[in-house]
Amino acid sequence: SQQGEEDPQALSIQEGENATMNCSYKTSINNLQWYRQNSGRGLVHLILIRSNEREKHSGRLRVTLDTSKKSSSLLITASRAADTASYFCATTTSGTYKYIFGTGTRLKVLA
Amino acid sequence: DGGITQSPKYLFRKEGQNVTLSCEQNLNHDAMYWYRQDPGQGLRLIYYSQIVNDFQKGDIAEGYSVSREKKESFPLTVTSAQKNPTAFYLCASSIPYDGLNTEAFFGQGTRLTVV
Repeated sequence: SQQGEEDPQALSIQEGENATMNCSYKTSINNLQWYRQNSGRGLVHLILIRSNEREKHSGRLRVTLDTSKKSSSLLITASRAADTASYFCATTTSGTYKYIFGTGTRLKVLA
Repeated sequence: DGGITQSPKYLFRKEGQNVTLSCEQNLNHDAMYWYRQDPGQGLRLIYYSQIVNDFQKGDIAEGYSVSREKKESFPLTVTSAQKNPTAFYLCASSIPYDGLNTEAFFGQGTRLTVV
């Protein structure tokens, strides 16, 4: 069963605006990761946040993690047309060596 | 350059045929994974392998088979028992240490279509 559920399923914004997408998961995790997928391509890792961390930044990306609510959010600031892609969260759990992905958010940034 | 190579990029299968998707990595990663992605959907885990000569079923293993005879290679066979194989297949690898606090690296995918 899929661990993560992303919200919204699709998001359309103007260039320069911020984009926020959310991920909820069901069980205790080791870490939560965000990936990006351009249409018809493989996934590319963006950022990893461990279960004992609450916030992490990487360039224009900001990720938060609330383990009490079993949720995470990804904020992309000052979005660009090149940010148009699908974004997925993935979780890993102690005792297993697999990444469980969510359903994804399709982001469209209009120039 | 290090990376994961999936081949072919496009594959057409007649009903009743088995087909094998190739996945090769030169990242020296122990763990490898196969995921299926349907249009507009997330990734679902088919099989994964933590080490050579060992692999485990994921959430949707029925109708698929794998082998892991070499560290670099993790081929996926889609058998005739898989009733709806048309999908985008993604292979990934990672270093399975530290509770998997590492990223997964993905190939560019194989798009399989049943004709």
